[in-house]
Amino acid sequence: NAGVMQNPRHLVRRRGQEARLRCSPMKGHSHVYWYRQLPEEGLKFMVYLQKENIIDESGMPKERFSAEFPKEGPSILRIQQVVRGDSAAYFCASSFSGRPVETQYFGPGTRLLVL
Amino acid sequence: KQEVTQIPAALSVPEGENLVLNCSFTDSAIYNLQWFRQDPGKGLTSLLLIQSSQREQTSGRLNASLDKSSGRSTLYIAASQPGDSATYLCAGASSGGYQKVTFGIGTKLQVIP
Repeated sequence: NAGVMQNPRHLVRRRGQEARLRCSPMKGHSHVYWYRQLPEEGLKFMVYLQKENIIDESGMPKERFSAEFPKEGPSILRIQQVVRGDSAAYFCASSFSGRPVETQYFGPGTRLLVL
Repeated sequence: KQEVTQIPAALSVPEGENLVLNCSFTDSAIYNLQWFRQDPGKGLTSLLLIQSSQREQTSGRLNASLDKSSGRSTLYIAASQPGDSATYLCAGASSGGYQKVTFGIGTKLQVIP
C-alpha cells in the first residue's frame, strides 16, 4: 500500500527553464493538495485539485504556475520560466474524498533548486 | 483564517532531558492537529495525529495533547536523544469547504550528546 509518491525528489533548473513536479496520490485517493516550503518558512497551501478539476488555487502565484490532475496519471505542478525565488521544497498531499474531516497524507516532497 | 504559531523557534537541550514543544492555533474549530518531524533537506514524517474529539495521543517517547478551548497543543518528548534532533512542525486542519491544513513554522530541536 504505497503512500504518496513525488518525483523527482530533487530538481535543478536554470533561470528561465520549466519545472514539472509530479505527485501520485495514495491508491484510491482522488484529491490532491500542493504546498510550498520556502527556505526558513513554513509550508504554505498552494492549490487543491480533484480529478480534472481545480477546486481552490488561492495560494498559487497567478503567473508562471499551473497545476493539473488529469483523469489518468499523476498530478502535475508546472512552473514556467523559473526564477531563483522559486527554489523551495514542494510537497503534495492526498485524501480520499476531500471531506473536511479526512486526513491528508503527505508525500516526501520535491526540492527545486534554481541556479 | 487559521494561524498556527510554534514556540520556541529553536531549542537546545542536553541528552536525556524531557522537553515540551508548544503549538497554538487561532481557530478552535479544527478537525485534527498533526505533529511532523522534518530532517534537514528531507520530507515530512508524521509523528502523531490527534482528532478533534481526542485529548492526546502517544507513540513511544512522544506524547501530544490537544486543548481546543485554549487553542493549544503540546508535544512532549521524554528522555531526549541526539537522534531526536530535527525540526518539529505542528499543523492544524480546519474546514473551508474542504480540509485546509495550516502549518506552523516549526521548532528546531538540537539534542546535545
